[in-house]
Amino acid sequence: DTEVTQTPKHLVMGMTNKKSLKCEQHMGHRAMYWYKQKAKKPPELMFVYSYEKLSINESVPSRFSPECPNSSLLNLHLHALQPEDSALYLCASSLPQQTDQKEQFFGPGTRLTVL
Amino acid sequence: QKEVEQNSGPLSVPEGAIASLNCTYSDRVSQSFFWYRQYSGKSPELIMSIYSNGDKEDGRFTAQLNKASQYVSLLIRDSQPSDSATYLCAVKDSSASKIIFGSGTRLSIRP
Repeated sequence: DTEVTQTPKHLVMGMTNKKSLKCEQHMGHRAMYWYKQKAKKPPELMFVYSYEKLSINESVPSRFSPECPNSSLLNLHLHALQPEDSALYLCASSLPQQTDQKEQFFGPGTRLTVL
Repeated sequence: QKEVEQNSGPLSVPEGAIASLNCTYSDRVSQSFFWYRQYSGKSPELIMSIYSNGDKEDGRFTAQLNKASQYVSLLIRDSQPSDSATYLCAVKDSSASKIIFGSGTRLSIRP
């Protein structure tokens, strides 16, 4: 299995809702990432997990809460989002930094719309 | 602040010609460089990685790296309309577990 999967593909939520995005990989990767991408912009890093521990939080607002239950799964919990949080949310995975191969592989993304 | 710079384009190339995409980076110590292709509304797809100075070829794609000049490029030979996409240059941060993306170059292959 050489892919990263993300669910749901599309999500529409109100500003008072709580929802979660899910990401899964079965490539044996031990680093997983959440990115946010707005139209015509590059992906913007949000969080990095390495060996199931949060290693980087790029000053993301607390309304975004990541979770890594095991080495294959990564969740992003959403609460009290704002319309400007509408974007494509991308999950990626890679081998850990200590290895020579540093490539990140992206999932298909979740298109989030906040009303 | 570590940066990766690309010309945003659009770069318009006739079908069958060579498309040349360029990227410069500020992190002198970085050792890992990547090119991603992203179609509109889709996620980035890794097409090339390069770690050593020189050229690396994979099918119609050639990545070129010059660490002394802090320059990496991507050549696409025999360009096809299906190559029309945004190409993202990415550089591994030498001091953190993350990669830094350029803003992307929009490539258009005209029939």
